[in-house]
Amino acid sequence: RKEVEQDPGPFNVPEGATVAFNCTYSNSASQSFFWYRQDCRKEPKLLMSVYSSGNEDGRFTAQLNRASQYISLLIRDSKLSDSATYLCVVNEGGYQKVTFGIGTKLQVIP
Amino acid sequence: EPEVTQTPSHQVTQMGQEVILRCVPISNHLYFYWYRQILGQKVEFLVSFYNNEISEKSEIFDDQFSVERPDGSNFTLKIRSTKLEDSAMYFCASSGWGQREGPNLNTGTQYFGPGTRLTVL
Repeated sequence: RKEVEQDPGPFNVPEGATVAFNCTYSNSASQSFFWYRQDCRKEPKLLMSVYSSGNEDGRFTAQLNRASQYISLLIRDSKLSDSATYLCVVNEGGYQKVTFGIGTKLQVIP
Repeated sequence: EPEVTQTPSHQVTQMGQEVILRCVPISNHLYFYWYRQILGQKVEFLVSFYNNEISEKSEIFDDQFSVERPDGSNFTLKIRSTKLEDSAMYFCASSGWGQREGPNLNTGTQYFGPGTRLTVL
């Protein structure tokens, strides 16, 4: 079983739509969770950390379900500039590696 | 806003040659990492480095690879004898202290440099 699983997409959505991505992780001892955004041939950039209580940043909402071992990202009112690959990232504790999912590609169309 | 920098942005080399990829982490960070991403594939962890020593490494990070922090600012990845399959984007990352969320210590967020595209011919 892959450590961090994501649907690679692509998700093609019209501007203004709401889109949700899920990610599952295999290690129940994982402690830190993040969503990163990666534009084509660029570095991953932090979108938001994901906390147990859920958190929101503008149009973006992240949720963590430890019991089911999944993380979600909701994007409301999609913009053309949201087109990118969204990477689910999990850390198993401490200051060690993080494990990336394959990423979910989002294409927002006019 | 402080950022991680990497040089060169693109490195072309012949198979069997040695390459050194350079990174300048964010200045007050203590934890440093190298990742790679083969075109079309996911980002893969290579190595983490703390207190002047490797703290964790992956199966990919074999004897051909080494890391060094030669001074107070640079963090380098050396590949001794490059192979065709080493062609990839190499990202450096750094992180500072984490935060506690209840009983858990969340790792400091990792910030990535723009990457070095390595092409082995």
